[in-house]
Amino acid sequence: LAKTTQPISMDSYEGQEVNITCSHNNIATNDYITWYQQFPSQGPRFIIQGYKTKVTNEVASLFIPADRKSSTLSLPRVSLSDTAVYYCLVGDPLLTGGGNKLTFGTGTQLKVEL
Amino acid sequence: GAVVSQHPSRVICKSGTSVKIECRSLDFQATTMFWYRQFPKQSLMLMATSNEGSKATYEQGVEKDKFLINHASLTLSTLTVTSAHPEDSSFYICSASNLGGGLTISTDTQYFGPGTRLTVL
Repeated sequence: LAKTTQPISMDSYEGQEVNITCSHNNIATNDYITWYQQFPSQGPRFIIQGYKTKVTNEVASLFIPADRKSSTLSLPRVSLSDTAVYYCLVGDPLLTGGGNKLTFGTGTQLKVEL
Repeated sequence: GAVVSQHPSRVICKSGTSVKIECRSLDFQATTMFWYRQFPKQSLMLMATSNEGSKATYEQGVEKDKFLINHASLTLSTLTVTSAHPEDSSFYICSASNLGGGLTISTDTQYFGPGTRLTVL
């Protein structure tokens, strides 16, 4: 399983754009990149997923360079409620036995202030 | 779509008793469910993977006789912590995925339940 490396923490202010970069140097050909958000005492919430280039949805954008050895989650105009831990994971959805076995790293604690 | 529920959300039990936690996929069929454990200020640790109708695959270091997993249907998996001890106190989270996908969920995404806080006295 590909190992991911993220900053332990980041600070930002309301209204700013936040970019969290994740390194996954040994990502495999079939691996997808998925980002989750977790609030204290809650299960992780799916944010966005991609394989290459750029993916955008209503809450975030995900930028993946051509070599796929890293990815950047971009949160536009963050608010206080975006204070949470953000996890970057890589995994192969077609692993034998079914399911996408994911390994959670330490995640990035994002703190948004006024 | 892609809602996963867990019950109970919080449980307190005495040492030596067994506790069952249910994980349900409410609006999709979960071919695979995963069970995680999370200690305070730490990341999620995968305990086991279960596929409907077959035995669970446990991660290294997880006692399969202590953490019994049953995935009897495509919408329900249960985790039973047998003879619980204070060191088993943790936040238990399940997730579900469906390789077959569907109209509303991706084929390769895990959807997580809200978690169950277990406290063993």
